[in-house]
This record gives sequence, C-alpha cells and structure tokens, in this order.
Amino acid sequence: GAGVSQTPSNKVTEKGKYVELRCDPISGHTALYWYRQSLGQGPEFLIYFQGTGAADDSGLPNDRFFAVRPEGSVSTLKIQRTERGDSAVYLCASSLGGLAGDRPDTQYFGPGTRLTVL
Amino acid sequence: RKEVEQDPGPFNVPEGATVAFNCTYSNSASQSFFWYRQDCRKEPKLLMSVYSSGNEDGRFTAQLNRASQYISLLIRDSKLSDSATYLCVVHMAGGYNKLIFGAGTRLAVHP
Repeated sequence: GAGVSQTPSNKVTEKGKYVELRCDPISGHTALYWYRQSLGQGPEFLIYFQGTGAADDSGLPNDRFFAVRPEGSVSTLKIQRTERGDSAVYLCASSLGGLAGDRPDTQYFGPGTRLTVL
Repeated sequence: RKEVEQDPGPFNVPEGATVAFNCTYSNSASQSFFWYRQDCRKEPKLLMSVYSSGNEDGRFTAQLNRASQYISLLIRDSKLSDSATYLCVVHMAGGYNKLIFGAGTRLAVHP
C-alpha cells in the first residue's frame, strides 16, 4: 500500500519568505509527527498530532513554526520569515494510534522535504 | 549532554565481519528503545525494537542494559547492503510519544 508521502521533495527559498510543507500520512493512521534532520544529525522531534489536535508541540523551535492537521489526515508545516538556519530535511511520520500501553506504535517515515534557505 | 549519544563512526569493515555499535541515553525514565536504519538521502526505517534485555533477528542482535543506560547493536556476517547509518532511538513513557534520535553511526561494508 501507499506509504507516507511528502511534497515538495525539494524547496529552495530566500531568507524571509514563507513556506508550506505538506504530509500525507498512511491511510487510517491517526498519529502524525514532524521531525527536522540537519546534516550529520539524527531527526529532531517538532510536533505530534493525535487526530486533528496537536498533542505535543514542545519541539517547535519558535513561533515562526506552525503546523495544522484540520481534518485529521493531511498535515501542513508552515514556516514564516525563513532563516538560513531553517535549512534541513523535514520528515513526516505516521503511526496507527500513537501508543499501545507504554509502547509507541511503529512510526513510518516519509521521504522528507529538503528545504534550502538562501 | 545529549539525550542519546552514539559513536559517529564511520566504521569501515570487510564483508563477513562482525561489527558492534554502542549507544548511551541520559534519561532513566526511557522505556522503549529502537534501532533505525537510514540510507543516504532516504528516510529512517525501523530495524529492531528492544523492549526487554535484548532482541535477535537473523544477523542482528540488540542488547539493552538499563542499569548502565546502554544499548548495543551487533551485526554478524556483514553484507555490502548493510552499509547505512544506524540510528539509536529512545522513547519515554508517561504520555510522551516523541522519539529521541541519536546522531547515528555510519557503517561502510567493503568487498
């Protein structure tokens, strides 16, 4: 079946511009996550949705970053007034329900959007 | 101190070799542990889950030492196709559902 898809695959923008990154999770997955991966680092958690609501947004670095999931499926990560330091690969993942007891459901990652801020 | 620390490598090994990666984590409340594999310019994919003291899957063995807050991954009989970055991942209990990733250990298997 179809996995997690992300668009665009690459985005080049200029400093100060606004960008939107889109994630289509696996059908039926209620949990959705955004991570950011800088060169030579592991993915860094940004935000987690359970259904339409953001259950944990503790990883968003500042108020220039915002994410929505209005219908509990597709999610959009929005970055205002982009800075060069925002350049990274933005990864989206989804899982069936989030947690099963204390154990997390397996998270399936999309191919990512490579954002370059000039 | 980083929450999850790994030796970045690279580990350069010949085919057929046995190689071991180590990982330490700082939060003793961590409950679940994973190894993910990431190929160059690709997304991470789950390799193994480690819930109790260890787990074995074919050529791969993961071990967990809660007292020392240490996780390891052993790969036996390395294949060229094992070349990738291996990410150590930790999950905390208590309502949090985010994964904490290490920076990864790079493995290069050569003929």
